[in-house]
Amino acid sequence: LAKITQPISMDSYEGQEVNITCSHNNIATNDYITWYQQFPSQGPRFIIQGYKTKVTNEVASLFIPADRKSSTLSLPRVSLSDTAVYYCLVGTDSGYALNFGKGTSLLVTP
Amino acid sequence: GAVVSQHPSRVICKSGTSVKIECRSLDFQATTMFWYRQFPKQSLMLMATSNEGSKATYEQGVEKDKFLINHASLTLSTLTVTSAHPEDSSFYICSATETGTGPEKLFFGSGTQLSVL
Repeated sequence: LAKITQPISMDSYEGQEVNITCSHNNIATNDYITWYQQFPSQGPRFIIQGYKTKVTNEVASLFIPADRKSSTLSLPRVSLSDTAVYYCLVGTDSGYALNFGKGTSLLVTP
Repeated sequence: GAVVSQHPSRVICKSGTSVKIECRSLDFQATTMFWYRQFPKQSLMLMATSNEGSKATYEQGVEKDKFLINHASLTLSTLTVTSAHPEDSSFYICSATETGTGPEKLFFGSGTQLSVL
């Protein structure tokens, strides 16, 4: 399993762009990178997934450099409702589901 | 997107009773479902992996006789906490992967808060 490191917490003001970086130095060739968001007392929600380069959807962008040893989740213009824990998962096949790290707790304030 | 329904959302029970939690994939078939446990302000801990029609695979340290998992169909998996005790109080979450799309995209239920008195 890829060893994952991400910041424990981050603070931001409303309207700012937030970038959360995840390190996964020993990512394997077949591994995907996926980010989830979790609110208190709810199950995680899929945000975005990528394998390499850049992926963008309606809520976020995911930047993955060529060596794939890290990835950055970018949330444009955050609002108070983006306050949540964000998890970076790396893996493939059955090992993937194991790999929930501690996540990054994002606090957005006015 | 794919929807996973989990019931009940909250249950309070007396010590020694059994509690069943259901996890359903509503609009897709899920050959594999996962069950997690989460304590307050901690990350998700994988308890077991269940595959339709076969026995669940439990993670190290998880008692299979205490946490019974059944995955009888492509859309339903259940977790039964047998003879529950206060230390079993936790937030339980299921997830599923859509058949044919690989396990890398997990869809989660809304979770079940179990409180054992």
